[in-house]
Amino acid sequence: EVQLVESGGDLVQPGGSLRLSCAASGFTFNTYWMTWVRQAPGKGLEWVANINEGGSEKNYVDSVKGRFTISRDNAQKSLYLQMNSLTAEDTAVYYCARDKYTNGSDAYDIWGQGTKLTVSS
Amino acid sequence: AIQMTQSPSSLSASVGDRVTITCRASQAIKNDLGWYQQKPGTAPKLLIYAASGLQSGVPSRFSGSGSGTDFTLTISSLQPEDFATYYCLQDYSYPRTFGQGTKVGIK
Repeated sequence: EVQLVESGGDLVQPGGSLRLSCAASGFTFNTYWMTWVRQAPGKGLEWVANINEGGSEKNYVDSVKGRFTISRDNAQKSLYLQMNSLTAEDTAVYYCARDKYTNGSDAYDIWGQGTKLTVSS
Repeated sequence: AIQMTQSPSSLSASVGDRVTITCRASQAIKNDLGWYQQKPGTAPKLLIYAASGLQSGVPSRFSGSGSGTDFTLTISSLQPEDFATYYCLQDYSYPRTFGQGTKVGIK
C-alpha cells in the first residue's frame, strides 16, 4: 500500500525546535519530489517547502526561510522538516505529500494523515 | 508571491446541483494549477492537476478548466460526499500558494 506517515508533532515552547518525520512506503521514494504543507487551526492550507528527488534542490515559503530545513534520507525512505525558532504562528497540522509531477505540473497525489505542532508557553 | 483568490468563499447547494468554483491568480500562471478537496479532520485529496487533468480515481463529475489567470472547478451533479472545502494551488512559481478555500455546504 502506498502510504505516508508523519510523526514528531508536539507541544513546544516559543523559540524551541522540533523535527518532523514522514515515513514513506509502497513506492519508490527516491523518484519523487516531496512537499510539506501545513494548516493552522481553523485556517486554510499553506505550502511550506519541497525537495527534489536527490535532496539537492529545496524551496521554502518566505515565512520559514532561515528557520526550517527540509531534508530526506532516501535509504530510509524518510522526509524530514527541522523547525527552529518556533513561534505561535507555526502552530498547525503539518502534512507531507508526494508530488507525482504530471504534465509539467505539481500534483500532490499521496498525503500523510498529518502531525500536530503546537507552539505555546 | 502569486496570490490566488477563490470565489465564492462558501456556498450552499443541493444534491444534484451544478457547482462552479473559480480561482483567479494575481499574474498569469499558464495552466499550472491544481484543485484539492478537504473534508474536516482529513488530509487534502488531489482532484485536478495541470488545470484540467483528472486525477486517477476521481469521479468524472469533477472537471477543471482555464489558463492564464482564471480557472474553474466544476462539479456537474453534486453528490452527498462532495460537501467539503476546495482549494486551488498554483505551481507556476515559488513559493507555491493556495487559494483561501471554498466551503461547499448543504442547502
